[in-house]
Amino acid sequence: NAGVTQTPKFQVLKTGQSMTLQCAQDMNHEYMSWYRQDPGMGLRLIHYSVGAGITDQGEVPNGYNVSRSTTEDFPLRLLSAAPSQTSVYFCASKGNNEQFFGPGTRLTVL
Amino acid sequence: DAKTTQPNSMESNEEEPVHLPCNHSTISGTDYIHWYRQLPSQGPEYVIHGLTSNVNNRMASLAIAEDRKSSTLILHRATLRDAAVYYCILGYYGNKLVFGAGTILRVKS
Repeated sequence: NAGVTQTPKFQVLKTGQSMTLQCAQDMNHEYMSWYRQDPGMGLRLIHYSVGAGITDQGEVPNGYNVSRSTTEDFPLRLLSAAPSQTSVYFCASKGNNEQFFGPGTRLTVL
Repeated sequence: DAKTTQPNSMESNEEEPVHLPCNHSTISGTDYIHWYRQLPSQGPEYVIHGLTSNVNNRMASLAIAEDRKSSTLILHRATLRDAAVYYCILGYYGNKLVFGAGTILRVKS
């Protein structure tokens, strides 16, 4: 059981570039979510999904898109990267009452 | 979303119990109390959750006040590996977790 995996671990982008952060889980969880964590702060919810084909916005969705075509995968797309999106991104999936977090992707936008 | 209040930081000696407080005076009847922790450079990790009754698991205990306006996470014997940021979070069935700043726990050897 790999749990929640995220790729890449690190990424540097230039302003205006687009990219996709990958997230996968092998626990057959319906609920998945994306958070970002800025230095010295708690995590903030970007988008979440309650199952394949269903997504919804969280607290800070602007500048990000998601889709959920399978139960296993929940990619996060940055459409046009901005320096304000420099952060650590965590993906999570939820089973029963417990969320399992991935190791994170550290993104820097120059 | 109902908010929680936690101390910014706490310090403990190794092998001693640690009591991490959390105030949540505006908790609603359907809010579960969740605790997560985040070790340095890692994603958050589930610790424990409860609704009304005290809860125990292999990692910690959760003591919930009778009026549910406060709770305490208890680590029975702190180790150096327990040094982390501890988050007290209210939510329905663990969905849409809203993280505050949490409590930084430092453990001294």
